[in-house]
Amino acid sequence: QVQLVQSGAEVKKPGASVKVSCKASGYTFTSYGISWVRQAPGQGLEWMGWISAYNGNTNYAQKLQGRVTMTTDTSTSTAYMELRSLRSDDTAVYYCARDRRWLVSHFDYWGQGTLVTVSS
Amino acid sequence: EIVLTQSPGTLSLSPGERATLSCRASQSVSSSYLAWYQQKPGQAPRLLIYGASSRATGIPDRFSGSGSGTDFTLTISRLEPEDFAVYYCQQYGSSPPTTFGQGTRLEIK
Repeated sequence: QVQLVQSGAEVKKPGASVKVSCKASGYTFTSYGISWVRQAPGQGLEWMGWISAYNGNTNYAQKLQGRVTMTTDTSTSTAYMELRSLRSDDTAVYYCARDRRWLVSHFDYWGQGTLVTVSS
Repeated sequence: EIVLTQSPGTLSLSPGERATLSCRASQSVSSSYLAWYQQKPGQAPRLLIYGASSRATGIPDRFSGSGSGTDFTLTISRLEPEDFAVYYCQQYGSSPPTTFGQGTRLEIK
């Protein structure tokens, strides 16, 4: 069965960086993409960006351009999301979700979420 | 950017009743690229509907989606206790690629 398993919770200070991993299983990793979505406490869903696991192409949300980098390791079927220059309003649960290989679409499988807390 | 507005913000109904949730887009959603998700507290969202009206794998047929252009609807024909949750709509296929609505909370009356 398709599974996306994310790394554990993180606590970071303002200005630091965080890197969250998302290990995929149960499907051919390079036939799909991965989108990252975050959810601040008590708030709605915010799309952060997409990466094709086939060729590494990316598409980032404009508001995060320059602070976010998404990568994949096809040898381990793992996707990564790094967010730099963290601020308090980056505190959120970060989700990875399976997406299409060539473009952003709907998300049929999700990771369990990773809580990132930014606090001094 | 396409802005999605969901209504109502909160819907209070009883088990067995019919629920109708609305999602309105600020401009036409191409090719009905509209999805619906259910999210329960402490859980990741779950895909219910994609392409405006196609049920995702394993979703009961009491969930149905309809609409096109700028107006979309998620209908739950007969509410079960496990259906009380927050529901989000999502549009995709535009630029920027995707946006979500702010959510509708479905609560037990």
